[in-house]
Amino acid sequence: AQSVTQLGSHVSVSEGALVLLRCNYSSSVPPYLFWYVQYPNQGLQLLLKYTSAATLVKGINGFEAEFKKSETSFHLTKPSAHMSDAAEYFCAVTPPWRNNRLAFGKGNQVVVIP
Amino acid sequence: GAVVSQHPSWVICKSGTSVKIECRSLDFQATTMFWYRQFPKQSLMLMATSNEGSKATYEQGVEKDKFLINHASLTLSTLTVTSAHPEDSSFYICSAEGQDIDYGYTFGSGTRLTVV
Repeated sequence: AQSVTQLGSHVSVSEGALVLLRCNYSSSVPPYLFWYVQYPNQGLQLLLKYTSAATLVKGINGFEAEFKKSETSFHLTKPSAHMSDAAEYFCAVTPPWRNNRLAFGKGNQVVVIP
Repeated sequence: GAVVSQHPSWVICKSGTSVKIECRSLDFQATTMFWYRQFPKQSLMLMATSNEGSKATYEQGVEKDKFLINHASLTLSTLTVTSAHPEDSSFYICSAEGQDIDYGYTFGSGTRLTVV
């Protein structure tokens, strides 16, 4: 079974500062990993995904994440926070085969302080 | 890119009535669709998985007679909340997966259901 741990439900970051959201996974097989962003009353938008290619993955809106097998981690970063980054962020994991469910973390609510 | 359209965006209904939510993949064939429920300030809870032309697989604790899922074609899945009650009020989100992993589990925009 796969699972994801996201610590710290609320993350406050100053505008222009580094955004770091931590995601650690548990998986019995090499996983596929995803980061999603959710704005209020909206669905989930894919930020980036790792599917066993390059371990450093670049996504939309200036976000990137690095897959570290030795640390079972897939932390999300952005060098400089923008006010528009205020949202809920979810990390998710799934086995590397078709039609399998995503296991979500509890999410991080990011607040950007002007 | 892959687009999933979900309708309606919000709906208010009276207790005891039924509500249907549609989820369509617009530019790809969705072999599998997932239905989630999200409570305020919480993560997504998977309700059921549906494959085109077959019965949905429901998660433990989800009432299949209350939450009817139909996946009649490769581009359309529907969730019907039958005999809705106020405790069914929630945010419902669908997700579709196509043949290509590049579609990355595309999500609909969600439906806010309020039962009064």
